Amino acid sequence: NAGVMQNPRHLVRRRGQEARLRCSPMKGHSHVYWYRQLPEEGLKFMVYLQKENIIDESGMPKERFSAEFPKEGPSILRIQQVVRGDSAAYFCASSRDGGTEAFFGQGTRLTVV
Amino acid sequence: GQNIDQPTEMTATEGAIVQINCTYQTSGFNGLFWYQQHAGEAPTFLSYNVLDGLEEKGRFSSFLSRSKGYSYLSLKELLMKDSASYLCAVRGGASNYQLIWGAGTKLIIKP
Repeated sequence: NAGVMQNPRHLVRRRGQEARLRCSPMKGHSHVYWYRQLPEEGLKFMVYLQKENIIDESGMPKERFSAEFPKEGPSILRIQQVVRGDSAAYFCASSRDGGTEAFFGQGTRLTVV
Repeated sequence: GQNIDQPTEMTATEGAIVQINCTYQTSGFNGLFWYQQHAGEAPTFLSYNVLDGLEEKGRFSSFLSRSKGYSYLSLKELLMKDSASYLCAVRGGASNYQLIWGAGTKLIIKP
């Protein structure tokens, strides 16, 4: 049973480009969370999704950021027109339901140059 | 507001015991988690407390006092590989599913 899979592990984008981060949850998990982590800082909640539904996006910036978790395929976090401040590690976690512990992927390290 | 406080950094000696404290102020509470995160890696689950008291799991134990908004993670018989950041997270706030995270405590183990 593979763990939470994120790709790519490292992503470099120039300012103004789009970044697309993918997360495949663990088998049997239908709840996905996205977090952002800056160096030497804690995790910041961005969005919580279930299949085809956004449950809580209160941590997501209102502009340029969007997330989806389609019926088929991985969850996608999309950042449009990236800026230097978007450089961070983005972690995805999944759980069987909203009440159990979440398992994390290895993260995608986004660098905006 | 929502607030989770942990010490920024702690140092301990190999073979000793260390206790990492976490205090929280959240609008709701539905459990407290501890995660371990090695540099450059994903957080890994350590413990979950939802009722007051002590949960023990091998060399790790976690304590919760809901009335005090307080938890600690205790590690005994410290190993060098325990050098990592330890993250406290509370399920609470406006969304009952949202985890609110502390900034983490960097634990440095010395020989």
